[in-house]
Amino acid sequence: DGGITQSPKYLFRKEGQNVTLSCEQNLNHDAMYWYRQDPGQGLRLIYYSQIVNDFQKGDIAEGYSVSREKKESFPLTVTSAQKNPTAFYLCASSQGYNEQFFGPGTRLTVL
Amino acid sequence: GENVEQHPSTLSVQEGDSAVIKCTYSDSASNYFPWYKQELGKRPQLIIDIRSNVGEKKDQRIAVTLNKTAKHFSLHITETQPEDSAVYFCAASRGGGTSYGKLTFGQGTILTVHP
Repeated sequence: DGGITQSPKYLFRKEGQNVTLSCEQNLNHDAMYWYRQDPGQGLRLIYYSQIVNDFQKGDIAEGYSVSREKKESFPLTVTSAQKNPTAFYLCASSQGYNEQFFGPGTRLTVL
Repeated sequence: GENVEQHPSTLSVQEGDSAVIKCTYSDSASNYFPWYKQELGKRPQLIIDIRSNVGEKKDQRIAVTLNKTAKHFSLHITETQPEDSAVYFCAASRGGGTSYGKLTFGQGTILTVHP
């Protein structure tokens, strides 16, 4: 079953904690992306990666970090430096200059 | 960088009517324009896309038009049905270089189709 998966579906973070969101794809796509979605707003790009061991900051990278050690995996860490992390996080992948396929999302809440 | 503006933010229509959502973009080098549909709590899914070498594309009840000179593109849904109710996002990107595949999204339009 090909696709893109994210885990966990729901995540709760205490103040000052770092948390890591998982994103895996078996579509053999080169590019992967992380977006943040707030209520009533569009998707804002956090980080993206075009190839293994390389990634670029998006529009709202502050307080987040990523790694791309494997083609199929692109985890996102929300650090304590991100002051307002409560949001819906979406991971996506694409092959070249084509359609981006999205994962089901992780809803992060700060307690 | 690219900036995409989307209007209206909400749109309410009666079943069977047409719905039109418009987007403008700022980067004249953008050449790929997808439209995504997102149902409540779900992932966005591509419904139609257009590249800058064509002016219009249709897929059953959905069509997208592109005016490169004016830097705007629109989504047209005909014969709307209640299951068309969702949030619709437009996006723009340009291929090549460091912006490979990087999409800039509009703010979204909440479409409600009343039976």
